[in-house]
Amino acid sequence: QQQVKQSPQSLIVQKGGISIINCAYENTAFDYFPWYQQFPGKGPALLIAIRPDVSEKKEGRFTISFNKSAKQFSLHIMDSQPGDSATYFCAALETGTASKLTFGTGTRLQVTL
Amino acid sequence: NAGVTQTPKFQVLKTGQSMTLQCAQDMNHEYMSWYRQDPGMGLRLIHYSVGAGITDQGEVPNGYNVSRSTTEDFPLRLLSAAPSQTSVYFCASSYSRTGYGYTFGSGTRLTVV
Repeated sequence: QQQVKQSPQSLIVQKGGISIINCAYENTAFDYFPWYQQFPGKGPALLIAIRPDVSEKKEGRFTISFNKSAKQFSLHIMDSQPGDSATYFCAALETGTASKLTFGTGTRLQVTL
Repeated sequence: NAGVTQTPKFQVLKTGQSMTLQCAQDMNHEYMSWYRQDPGMGLRLIHYSVGAGITDQGEVPNGYNVSRSTTEDFPLRLLSAAPSQTSVYFCASSYSRTGYGYTFGSGTRLTVV
């Protein structure tokens, strides 16, 4: 059973457009929600993260929106660039655990010219 | 360079062989984890450690052993390789329980034939 459901599986966006990736979870004990970016042949790298007491967090062109009641969160990439083409993973951490991240299945983003 | 170093980068094993995937970090991180990445399944936690001498199982521990004799090293042992263990393996470390500052290695691509 996938504890963190991520969609879409793949996404094509034109340069300058907005990329939106969605995640949903069931476990209400999750209390930390990071997003990771992975380029081919590399390990995932932390992009941005949010806690459930905040509804939105913005860092540059990247924004996380969090809806605690719906148990959903999303990543918005504004002004998408070809260099943003990568696979994006949402993740969640459960209270009381020690760095036991649960990952979504990933979204492969392609930004076209 | 500071970071997480994984060796080897590529490995082909025959069914039934054993091997050890090496992971070392030089950031004095307490938390270390092993994940496997399979297409369409995201990253799944195999084993993790919260400090030297302390390890525990993750979501998919069967067929793998770990030990943590030092803060720096966290090797993953495959006892008797099976084709189902064909995957890309990532080691990660963090200074924080939240996983913030989670640093991933560049991965080991393992093929079991």
